[in-house]
Amino acid sequence: DTGVSQNPRHKITKRGQNVTFRCDPISEHNRLYWYRQTLGQGPEFLTYFQNEAQLEKSRLLSDRFSAERPKGSFSTLEIQRTEQGDSAMYLCASSLGRGDDEQYFGPGTRLTVT
Amino acid sequence: GENVEQHPSTLSVQEGDSAVIKCTYSDSASNYFPWYKQELGKRPQLIIDIRSNVGEKKDQRIAVTLNKTAKHFSLHITETQPEDSAVYFCAASSGDSWGKLQFGAGTQVVVTP
Repeated sequence: DTGVSQNPRHKITKRGQNVTFRCDPISEHNRLYWYRQTLGQGPEFLTYFQNEAQLEKSRLLSDRFSAERPKGSFSTLEIQRTEQGDSAMYLCASSLGRGDDEQYFGPGTRLTVT
Repeated sequence: GENVEQHPSTLSVQEGDSAVIKCTYSDSASNYFPWYKQELGKRPQLIIDIRSNVGEKKDQRIAVTLNKTAKHFSLHITETQPEDSAVYFCAASSGDSWGKLQFGAGTQVVVTP
């Protein structure tokens, strides 16, 4: 499968714990996006990278969230001190590099905070 | 920032009939408008997109229209089939954050045989 991959697919954690998700984009894609999707809603933008540079971070994202893309390939999204409100599907997408290039989504990581 | 509103939230159509979903956006600088289809438990997939330099685009049974003056765009599905049943999301790319997509809340489309 040469599409966008995400790991883990599911994560259950207790409130207060830290979690880290990984996204592997399509190999030639320069842009990588993170979105969050809750039940019955559309994906909500979190942050995006052009190669290794983080270009924008949503104002809705608290300081507990951090994302990296150290070598311009895979990316990680870390949530510190998880809260029940963090429970959601975390989606990663990648695109070639222009703002109007198609964004290809990964299968997502479903986070449940108990 | 950009705000996208989508209507209706649910749409039930008879197989063979047409379905229309409408979206409005707030940022006049937005110039890229994709539509995604998401089946239950699966990832969103692009079905069609339109850029602000055209008013209409068609791909087989699917078409999208854009009215920049009124800041709204619509998805039209003709001759609907049961496999068209899914949640459809419209999105807009804000002019000041090229590539950052603001999604609508989605439309659950149910096609009944």
